[in-house]
Amino acid sequence: SAVISQKPSRDICQRGTSLTIQCQVDSQVTMMFWYRQQPGQSLTLIATANQGSEATYESGFVIDKFPISRPNLTFSTLTVSNMSPEDSSIYLCSASTGGGGELFFGEGSRLTVL
Amino acid sequence: QKEVEQNSGPLSVPEGAIASLNCTYSDRGSQSFFWYRQYSGKSPELIMFIYSNGDKEDGRFTAQLNKASQYVSLLIRDSQPSDSATYLCGGAGGSQGNLIFGKGTKLSVKP
Repeated sequence: SAVISQKPSRDICQRGTSLTIQCQVDSQVTMMFWYRQQPGQSLTLIATANQGSEATYESGFVIDKFPISRPNLTFSTLTVSNMSPEDSSIYLCSASTGGGGELFFGEGSRLTVL
Repeated sequence: QKEVEQNSGPLSVPEGAIASLNCTYSDRGSQSFFWYRQYSGKSPELIMFIYSNGDKEDGRFTAQLNKASQYVSLLIRDSQPSDSATYLCGGAGGSQGNLIFGKGTKLSVKP
């Protein structure tokens, strides 16, 4: 298993600002992902964080809005840029050892954009 | 587009009853399925996973998979108020090795 720590756990942000969320895994994992969960909704994949290279984004998400870094096997960041109220959501870091196996989740970062 | 469908509920059952949660999926190539429980304001936690056709039991929980019908279910026996949560069904098969999730079923167990 893997324990995932995320910070901040929550934040209130002003429109037009950017916020970076950090994700630390306690063991080396193959895959790291960033999901978004809007109020009352399920989990939508934003992107796969690739070690040492550009993230792979899902349809509807772009690097300019959600830049992602993964400098090593256990750490990743997601930035939500130029925020608007529509970005108010829970952002979840997740990780797996690959091969269609279990996903482990961080506690999430709840963002509110005013 | 690969999809996982769940009835969003809410599903309400009395304490001690069996709760039945269902999920269908569109991708015949999906090989494994995961049930997560998510309490309000918390992150999802894994309840069970299943790879093979048939039933898999773990305590009060039984997962069922029928690949021919592309159907997955989770049964919770002797439901407790502490089981009240949203249950997410996730299927392996995302293009990046990620899981694809349904919208979740909200379960309410009444004392």
